[in-house]
Amino acid sequence: GEDVEQSLFLSVREGDSSVINCTYTDSSSTYLYWYKQEPGAGLQLLTYIFSNMDMKQDQRLTVLLNKKDKHLSLRIADTQTGDSAIYFCAESPARGSYIPTFGRGTSLIVHP
Amino acid sequence: DTGVSQNPRHKITKRGQNVTFRCDPISEHNRLYWYRQTLGQGPEFLTYFQNEAQLEKSRLLSDRFSAERPKGSFSTLEIQRTEQGDSAMYLCASSLMGGRGYTFGSGTRLTVV
Repeated sequence: GEDVEQSLFLSVREGDSSVINCTYTDSSSTYLYWYKQEPGAGLQLLTYIFSNMDMKQDQRLTVLLNKKDKHLSLRIADTQTGDSAIYFCAESPARGSYIPTFGRGTSLIVHP
Repeated sequence: DTGVSQNPRHKITKRGQNVTFRCDPISEHNRLYWYRQTLGQGPEFLTYFQNEAQLEKSRLLSDRFSAERPKGSFSTLEIQRTEQGDSAMYLCASSLMGGRGYTFGSGTRLTVV
């Protein structure tokens, strides 16, 4: 089955870049996602990438995919205190039920 | 459209009672998913509907859990004879087509005392 692993914590200074890493196991064609969850709230989709891509950029967010190593990263440029949240990596197969499997989440703490 | 709506936001119940949660997806979305999230964990898949058909259920969904989506619009998740281990955030998500991202509701936080 699918398995998604993330480091649990990341602490950065305001204005620095943050890089959150994720590894996954499903080797078939797949969608990969980054979600953000603030305290007491649901999950907000930040971005997604299909596994035939190796990079996607959207404003301050850059997603890099190393398909050979099954490694996904999310870079947040100019990190702000409002970026403090839990970030979840998820992957889903590219057909059938498309059911996403989530990692445990990385808690990003941004300090002044 | 205001996104995916879940009610209630919070529910406190005594052990052994039944509870029901409701999810209203984005109106044109035909796929609806239920997840459970406990503290410090990522969301865990429970069940999934395409229109009114329940197509997949996780092993996490014991016999005490039942979900419906009678007209392919809103969905309900019922837990019978609640146990303290059922305490969690129950999340609903919907999508128009598979794979292009899912919109989550704010969840229903269940506390079983």
